[in-house]
Parts: sequence; structure tokens; C-alpha cells
Amino acid sequence: GAGVSQTPSNKVTEKGKYVELRCDPISGHTALYWYRQSLGQGPEFLIYFQGTGAADDSGLPNDRFFAVRPEGSVSTLKIQRTERGDSAVYLCASNAPAGSLQETQYFGPGTRLLVL
Amino acid sequence: QKEVEQNSGPLSVPEGAIASLNCTYSDRGSQSFFWYRQYSGKSPELIMSIYSNGDKEDGRFTAQLNKASQYVSLLIRDSQPSDSATYLCAVKGTGGFKTIFGAGTRLFVKA
Repeated sequence: GAGVSQTPSNKVTEKGKYVELRCDPISGHTALYWYRQSLGQGPEFLIYFQGTGAADDSGLPNDRFFAVRPEGSVSTLKIQRTERGDSAVYLCASNAPAGSLQETQYFGPGTRLLVL
Repeated sequence: QKEVEQNSGPLSVPEGAIASLNCTYSDRGSQSFFWYRQYSGKSPELIMSIYSNGDKEDGRFTAQLNKASQYVSLLIRDSQPSDSATYLCAVKGTGGFKTIFGAGTRLFVKA
């Protein structure tokens, strides 16, 4: 079907607030990644899901960040007590076959988060 | 030392020339290597992947991998103005899941 979708496309919030960012992967893709990209930098790995479970969450910067994928499809990245340094574009990507070394990650359009 | 290093550029080449983009990586056990293109304000899109030493060609693009030197490159032949973008090198390490991106090289192709 359609490609990876992410909502919202833009999010402006105030320091200290809670935000949720949503990712709808390509139908049938069991592998899902979250990345964060700051201006002038490449995407920074945050977390990888294989199905419903987080197979690698080593990129989450601290315990204010959390992600879920309860039914193995849609994923939500949750950021508590947002800080100005969290401002970035948050990218989601999915791929098949899941977990293969030979993979093509398809990226969504991203959510631009601005913390004031 | 960064895990994946690229010259930030900008690299400027005339239309029709060959653009050469380079990348080095630190994890000697890395097994999968990717080149993504990212237009300003857009998401990365995969243009080449390579897994074994040597060259891999796809149209105007050639990826080169040298695991002994921990070096991967991308050549773009007959560069077009539409190739102007940031090119991201990405490496999948020994863990199997985590993909590490370089900061990207900005390429400008002058008409």
C-alpha cells in the first residue's frame, strides 16, 4: 500500500510538556526503526522493533524517551518532560524482510518537533 | 572517533562530471553498507547497498567497498543538477539491527 506515514508532520510544544509521535509503517513490514535527525546531521538511531518487541533500544537518549508498538504495526514514540534539546526531526522507517542484513529501510516524512 | 565519518562538503562538480563520495567506518565487524540520498527538507531514500568487497554498479551509481580499509565510496557518473542533495553513508554493525549514519556530504552539481 502507501508508504510510511507519520503524524503529526509538525509539533510545537513547550518545555516540560509530554508529546506523542505516531508512525504507520508499510503494511506487512515487521521491522520498524525510529531515528532523530538534527540540522546538518545524519539520522541518529533511537530504537528498533521486531514485531511488537523492542529488539534494540540502545539509542534512546534517556528515560524520558519511550516507544511502543503494541500490535506490531503502528508505533508511538513518547517523550516526557520535553527539553529544548529534543527539538529535531523524528524519522520512522520500516523494512522487510525483518531483521535481514540485506534490507531497504523506507523512511516516513518525519515529524518536526520544536520545543520552546 | 565517530563511528561513520564523511566529509561534510560541500562537494561541487560540473554537470556531466563524476562525483566521488567517501565514507569510513570504525566497526570492523560491520556487514552491511548503504548510501542514502536526502533532498533538503525530505527524508532519506536508499540508492545503493553493498555487502561484499569490490564494486557494485546500478545505472549511473557505483558503490565500492573495502572492508580491510574500512572504507566505502559512491561514484556518480554523468552527474546531473537533480543529483544535488546530501548523501548519507550508513553502516549496519555486528549487532545486526542498529544502523549508524554519517553526517552526510552535500553535493552540488552545477549546470
